[in-house]
Amino acid sequence: SQQGEEDPQALSIQEGENATMNCSYKTSINNLQWYRQNSGRGLVHLILIRSNEREKHSGRLRVTLDTSKKSSSLLITASRAADTASYFCATGEGAQKLVFGQGTRLTINP
Amino acid sequence: GAGVSQSPSNKVTEKGKDVELRCDPISGHTALYWYRQRLGQGLEFLIYFQGNSAPDKSGLPSDRFSAERTGESVSTLTIQRTQQEDSAVYLCASSLTWTGWYEQYFGPGTRLTVT
Repeated sequence: SQQGEEDPQALSIQEGENATMNCSYKTSINNLQWYRQNSGRGLVHLILIRSNEREKHSGRLRVTLDTSKKSSSLLITASRAADTASYFCATGEGAQKLVFGQGTRLTINP
Repeated sequence: GAGVSQSPSNKVTEKGKDVELRCDPISGHTALYWYRQRLGQGLEFLIYFQGNSAPDKSGLPSDRFSAERTGESVSTLTIQRTQQEDSAVYLCASSLTWTGWYEQYFGPGTRLTVT
């Protein structure tokens, strides 16, 4: 079953602009992770935020987590053409099982 | 070191035939996962292995699907009597351990097409 739902489903912005993607989920979680997927193949882990954390940074990425609203956001600052990909949030439940959302397709226009 | 590898990268098969997909996890990773991704969709959990414990098979969609893992190494996902709805990319991932939360490292996937 899908728990995370990303919003928007697709996002197109100009290079240099910031991109914000949101993820909502339904049940209690241990952690939430964001992954990037290029060309419909293997996923690359971007960042993990634990349920007791509110914000985390990694380079141009900023992730927030609001457990009261059961939502998370991924912000990519100063976007580049290479950021064009699909982005998925995944919630960690129980014993190591990740539940992925449907993803946001991000297109960066030069 | 080497990442997660999967073979074949592409597989075209006729409806009703059996297929076997292979995954080589990162050396030393005790947890291994299989996912299915239909075109334009998110990842659907199938099964995961954690060391020598019984695998979590709760995501397998039918009894035509089965998976095995030899110790903490290679895993094979077998689909018997394939159907057209089995067409998808099958992704394998491994992580360092299951006793805590670690990132999953994904292989490039096997694109299965059932004609």
